[in-house]
Amino acid sequence: DAGVTQTPRHEVAEKGQTIILKCEPVSGHNDLFWYRQTKIQGLELLSYFRSKSLMEDGGAFKDRFKAEMLNSSFSTLKIQPTEPKDSAVYLCASSPGGSSYEQYFGPGTRLTVL
Amino acid sequence: GDSVTQTEGLVTLTEGLPVMLNCTYQTIYSNPFLFWYVHYLNESPRLLLKSSTDNKRTEHQGFHATLHKSSSSFHLQKSSAQLSDSALYYCALSSGTGGYKVVFGSGTRLLVSP
Repeated sequence: DAGVTQTPRHEVAEKGQTIILKCEPVSGHNDLFWYRQTKIQGLELLSYFRSKSLMEDGGAFKDRFKAEMLNSSFSTLKIQPTEPKDSAVYLCASSPGGSSYEQYFGPGTRLTVL
Repeated sequence: GDSVTQTEGLVTLTEGLPVMLNCTYQTIYSNPFLFWYVHYLNESPRLLLKSSTDNKRTEHQGFHATLHKSSSSFHLQKSSAQLSDSALYYCALSSGTGGYKVVFGSGTRLLVSP
């Protein structure tokens, strides 16, 4: 089975641009998560979907961050407008649910905002 | 809300010495799930250990941890560090009540030198 895939792997944006990151979860997984990874904060939850429904939209990130899941096999994270402080690695993860709380992570997208 | 504390941002060790990475948590729920995830450079984060049973040691790939509800701790240990253990380690918590949402600590980077 394919794992979680994320594209692009690297993204460079100018301040004020709109960028869209993409994620394909493991087939059959019902839960999908977007995280921001930084050295200081660690893994911060941006959004959580269960069966395509938005369960949580990380408070501090609501302003310029919008995640969508139009079908069970594809999700996007839009950052609009980007700011230099958004430079980080963005990770997508999925979970099968049931009795397993394990999350399967993608390789991440490294975003640099100039 | 739920929280996880990892007090060490960086741990440096000489190969062969024992490893102990600290993790404490806070939750009002009595049956949390605790996890350790490992993130090697240029790979995706992946699950290393998990537990929901009080005072029971869980082991995987030479690492072990015991959930102690009395002290709200889930420290990660290994008897002898190897160079290949150098990575970023995250402790994480799921209270089991917010769907499959997991709260991560800020991470501990382990550097093992010869």
